[in-house]
Amino acid sequence: GAVVSQHPSRVICKSGTSVKIECRSLDFQATTMFWYRQFPKQSLMLMATSNEGSKATYEQGVEKDKFLINHASLTLSTLTVTSAHPEDSSFYICSGRDTLTDTQYFGPGTRLTVL
Amino acid sequence: GQQLNQSPQSMFIQEGEDVSMNCTSSSIFNTWLWYKQDPGEGPVLLIALYKAGELTSNGRLTAQFGITRKDSFLNISASIPSDVGIYFCAGHDQGGKLIFGQGTELSVKP
Repeated sequence: GAVVSQHPSRVICKSGTSVKIECRSLDFQATTMFWYRQFPKQSLMLMATSNEGSKATYEQGVEKDKFLINHASLTLSTLTVTSAHPEDSSFYICSGRDTLTDTQYFGPGTRLTVL
Repeated sequence: GQQLNQSPQSMFIQEGEDVSMNCTSSSIFNTWLWYKQDPGEGPVLLIALYKAGELTSNGRLTAQFGITRKDSFLNISASIPSDVGIYFCAGHDQGGKLIFGQGTELSVKP
């Protein structure tokens, strides 16, 4: 199957700082990438949908100024958590939709801990 | 928003037993997908279903897309310890968004 990578896999930061998470599709082109958040023992909640070259679409309740998404190429999307607070601590997972097959593949996730 | 109701929430079974879990929705979904997630990892696609009534197998896994397009089940036969993990159903709604169920946590006792 297709591979999606995320970097970093784990990050610990101080409250008030910003953190950037990268999501790359390694062997396919993803016109559309998605960002999910998962709290312990819970399901994946869609945060936003990003389309290459255009603005991301955010789900209700997700602050677009806090979670900045950039999808500059067909293989890279970034999520920046600005002015992070402890309540932003979570497992962030991205996925890319293969343009050719329409199948959605998930990255390994990034564990963010805000102190 | 739309929700998928997945059951059971958790299962504790003996190695060798068969497992069955299902998902239902109040609205129609265009596809049904089953994923497995190991601790600290992203979900991995197990089976994808694209047509109502479709029955698909992947090794010891079998899944079906309900005829009403509002439900799906996943069966695992002859479970083994490495089947442990959280299984999620997911479906593409009419707008193309992938919606996840709440997950079924599977524990297998050797």
